[in-house]
Amino acid sequence: DTGVSQDPRHKITKRGQNVTFRCDPISEHNRLYWYRQTLGQGPEFLTYFQNEAQLEKSRLLSDRFSAERPKGSFSTLEIQRTEQGDSAMYLCASSRGHTGELFFGEGSRLTVL
Amino acid sequence: AQRVTQPEKLLSVFKGAPVELKCNYSYSGSPELFWYVQYSRQRLQLLLRHISRESIKGFTADLNKGETSFHLKKPFAQEEDSAMYYCALTNQGAQKLVFGQGTRLTINP
Repeated sequence: DTGVSQDPRHKITKRGQNVTFRCDPISEHNRLYWYRQTLGQGPEFLTYFQNEAQLEKSRLLSDRFSAERPKGSFSTLEIQRTEQGDSAMYLCASSRGHTGELFFGEGSRLTVL
Repeated sequence: AQRVTQPEKLLSVFKGAPVELKCNYSYSGSPELFWYVQYSRQRLQLLLRHISRESIKGFTADLNKGETSFHLKKPFAQEEDSAMYYCALTNQGAQKLVFGQGTRLTINP
């Protein structure tokens, strides 16, 4: 499968713990996006990278969230000191340039108890 | 600020009936509009974009700048059209996509 892959698919954690999600984009795609989706809502933009450079971060992204894309390949999204409000589906997507056509992964579902 | 509004969370029609999923947007510049679809147990994927002016799976969407709308239409619904549909907007630099809340379309047999 050459699509966008995300790991883990599901994560259950206790409040206050740190979690990290990984995204492997389609190999020739230089842009990588992170979105968050809660029940009944559309995907909300969190941040995006062009190659290894993080070009934009949403105001939704508090200081507890950090994303990296070393070497411009895979990306990680870390949430420190998780809160119950962080429970959501975290979606990764990639694209070739700025076409507006994003290829999404299946998402990583986070449940914070 | 960019905003996309899909006024209907749920839409249910009978097979063979026409379908229209509404999308309104607010953006001061020249937007690019898209429809994304998520079928059951599948990933979110692009359905169509306004600049292509094409019909995909029988669906079309026309950008109406005067009404700031980008409604998705299909003349005869099929059961396999049942899915979540999201309208999305970006600026011409395509820095990021802003999504609406989505409409769950159910086609009844």
